[in-house]
Amino acid sequence: EAGVAQSPRYKIIEKRQSVAFWCNPISGHATLYWYQQILGQGPKLLIQFQNNGVVDDSQLPKDRFSAERLKGVDSTLKIQPAKLEDSAVYLCASSQRTGPNSEQFFGPGTRLTVL
Amino acid sequence: GESVGLHLPTLSVQEGDNSIINCAYSNSASDYFIWYKQESGKGPQFIIDIRSNMDKRQGQRVTVLLNKTVKHLSLQIAATQPGDSAVYFCAENAGGTSYGKLTFGQGTILTVHP
Repeated sequence: EAGVAQSPRYKIIEKRQSVAFWCNPISGHATLYWYQQILGQGPKLLIQFQNNGVVDDSQLPKDRFSAERLKGVDSTLKIQPAKLEDSAVYLCASSQRTGPNSEQFFGPGTRLTVL
Repeated sequence: GESVGLHLPTLSVQEGDNSIINCAYSNSASDYFIWYKQESGKGPQFIIDIRSNMDKRQGQRVTVLLNKTVKHLSLQIAATQPGDSAVYFCAENAGGTSYGKLTFGQGTILTVHP
């Protein structure tokens, strides 16, 4: 079974530029998550989708971050404009369904460096 | 807000020893806990989980202990191997309407010396 795919793996941009990350979850997984992992910290949930609807985006900085999952499969996370403190690894995860019983499978992440 | 934290940021052991990684949590409403392993350049990988109605759960070479009285979680790895070297995170789910939302702790770096 193929895992969660993410691209690009690495991205370097200057502050105030825009950047987008792409995620392809495991086939058949209804729930998709985007996490931000700052160096030395655990992942922090940014947004959670159930199919193409948002379940939780309470920790998403909506003035600069946006995410979509239009067809309920792939998802993109965008930052516009980027700030220095956005430097982090952005992890995508998916699970078969929403709820604590459903194991989350993580992709390898996209490492973003903002200069 | 509520948080999950770790007592020890680093742990260094010899191959074959048993490892114990600790985690303190502060949300008394949390009813589900997971340990993840994260190797360099990879996403977190599920190791073992435990529900709040249990105090111990065993897997292959791993055991998770939950002490709700003092809000403490631990991961025991038996006969630690070099391949166990990674960062280990505990995560909690607060239950209720949290829709499976996980709150992760800071992480402990485990280094296993051959």
